[in-house]
Amino acid sequence: EADIYQTPRYLVIGTGKKITLECSQTMGHDKMYWYQQDPGMELHLIHYSYGVNSTEKGDLSSESTVSRIRTEHFPLTLESARPSHTSQYLCASSAYQGATEAFFGQGTRLTVV
Amino acid sequence: AQRVTQPEKLLSVFKGAPVELKCNYSYSGSPELFWYVQYSRQRLQLLLRHISRESIKGFTADLNKGETSFHLKKPFAQEEDSAMYYCALRGWGKFQFGAGTQVVVTP
Repeated sequence: EADIYQTPRYLVIGTGKKITLECSQTMGHDKMYWYQQDPGMELHLIHYSYGVNSTEKGDLSSESTVSRIRTEHFPLTLESARPSHTSQYLCASSAYQGATEAFFGQGTRLTVV
Repeated sequence: AQRVTQPEKLLSVFKGAPVELKCNYSYSGSPELFWYVQYSRQRLQLLLRHISRESIKGFTADLNKGETSFHLKKPFAQEEDSAMYYCALRGWGKFQFGAGTQVVVTP
């Protein structure tokens, strides 16, 4: 079934650790996005990609980095996690044409202690 | 720059009462507008899009370009409508979301 998957769902990690949040989609979409969302608050775009080897920074400055080596895969990496990175991270994808809405994954709730 | 404003953080209504969630936007081009809903412990999902002019779960939304608004309405709220609602604009290839409105429907 076409879907968008994020792993892990929950992550508690110590300060200074390197982490990678995984996002994969089987929707066949070219566009992918990462949003940061604190509970009950608005979504802030931190990274997006139009396709393979395309990555752009979003509206909210983030110390994270992303890569897009394969169409279906859009991982987000934090080289050195800090408590200020504690948040929920949402991955989404969308098509260029036709049904152009964004489809979201379940999210990864990150806690840095 | 594109911007989406949802002025109400919380709407509390009684079951069977009408509910209206406000959304205003600013965008220099022709926008695509959406309403998303997030039920407790579920992922963010599309509720409806302005292009379709459809009614989903009794909700409708009309794009008013003159007032740059895309308000969401339902004539009779149900308890299962309790959720977080986000208005979103797709422009310049990106999605801009509003701050969200928490809807609480009490019996």
